[in-house]
Amino acid sequence: ELKVEQNPLFLSMQEGKNYTIYCNYSTTSDRLYWYRQDPGKSLESLFVLLSNGAVKQEGRLMASLDTKARLSTLHITAAVHDLSATYFCAVDLLPYGNKLVFGAGTILRVKS
Amino acid sequence: DAMVIQNPRYQVTQFGKPVTLSCSQTLNHNVMYWYQQKSSQAPKLLFHYYDKDFNNEADTPDNFQSRRPNTSFCFLDIRSPGLGDAAMYLCATSRDWGVHEQFFGPGTRLTVL
Repeated sequence: ELKVEQNPLFLSMQEGKNYTIYCNYSTTSDRLYWYRQDPGKSLESLFVLLSNGAVKQEGRLMASLDTKARLSTLHITAAVHDLSATYFCAVDLLPYGNKLVFGAGTILRVKS
Repeated sequence: DAMVIQNPRYQVTQFGKPVTLSCSQTLNHNVMYWYQQKSSQAPKLLFHYYDKDFNNEADTPDNFQSRRPNTSFCFLDIRSPGLGDAAMYLCATSRDWGVHEQFFGPGTRLTVL
């Protein structure tokens, strides 16, 4: 059974600081997705990582995937209040394809 | 804009009273999914349709059913809602089976009284 673990589960950080959220998974997969969810809202796709070594950046967020270590990271640079949300990683079950197993989510609060 | 639409956005039902949630999409995607997300938890896949082919997750309760009358619409039927079924229900679509990103609708928040 595929397990996806995120840490930390809760992150409180000051504006302007850097931090990394980690996503570990238990079985082979080279497809990993990061989503953002604001309170009471749906999931917004942030990054799609489809191969070992993939790195994608959007604004203050950068995501990477190491399939050998079964690890993805979401790095936050110079945090701003607007980044406050819950961030989920999701791993695609192989060989089925497109069946996502989500991590528990990381609640990020950026304090001004 | 192409999108995934869910109706209603908020649904209140009584314990044991059947309820139907609706999802429509203008993306012309082949695959549609239903997820359940309880408060402060991760989304959990209930079932999906690949075209008209229905696929139920092994641990999805029998109380949950789904219909996909055409490419654009998919319905989630909860036959006898219990208090434990209160959750956000998310519909998602993907262009095809395999390596394709899922696009989520805004969700329906279900309250069971």
